Amino acid sequence: QKEVEQNSGPLSVPEGAIASLNCTYSDRVSQSFFWYRQYSGKSPELIMSIYSNGDKEDGRFTAQLNKASQYVSLLIRDSQPSDSATYLCAVAGNYGGSQGNLIFGKGTKLSVKP
Amino acid sequence: DTEVTQTPKHLVMGMTNKKSLKCEQHMGHRAMYWYKQKAKKPPELMFVYSYEKLSINESVPSRFSPECPNSSLLNLHLHALQPEDSALYLCASSLRQGWSYEQYFGPGTRLTVT
Repeated sequence: QKEVEQNSGPLSVPEGAIASLNCTYSDRVSQSFFWYRQYSGKSPELIMSIYSNGDKEDGRFTAQLNKASQYVSLLIRDSQPSDSATYLCAVAGNYGGSQGNLIFGKGTKLSVKP
Repeated sequence: DTEVTQTPKHLVMGMTNKKSLKCEQHMGHRAMYWYKQKAKKPPELMFVYSYEKLSINESVPSRFSPECPNSSLLNLHLHALQPEDSALYLCASSLRQGWSYEQYFGPGTRLTVT
């Protein structure tokens, strides 16, 4: 069974600090990895996608992927109170008949304190 | 522009009612999805349409009936729902169905079944 694991949190960081969110996945054939941000009562918003090992940067966000360790992370630099949300890690792969289906982790709740 | 729209924003219905949820995108995406999200849980996939054809039905009860009348529209027809069906219903779209394509979510319809 495909699983995506995240610490549920809450992860609390002070304003201006780096927030580090982690995710592990069970299926080695997983090929694409996504981070979504979800504010309370709102829908998930895509922040980053990553497909290859290494780092990918977009503004204050950096996604890191290590396929050998089956690990993906999201770093948020200079965290702001507006970054307070639940961050969902999602994984997709060529899972036979379920090609393209996103497998979500349960999400990590981030709280950035002013 | 990565906008998916959904109507209505909120819906309250009795167990004997029939109602429909609507989703629309004009990004030229040919894969569209329905998800269900309960409080403090990640989204759960219900249906996938690819090129207006039903591609995946994740064993959803028949009281949920999807329809894709054209490449921009996706409907979810609801009939004889149960209180446990109360949830946030999310529509998403991607350029194509497949692991390498990013999925973009609409704002959701908050459904309450009384």
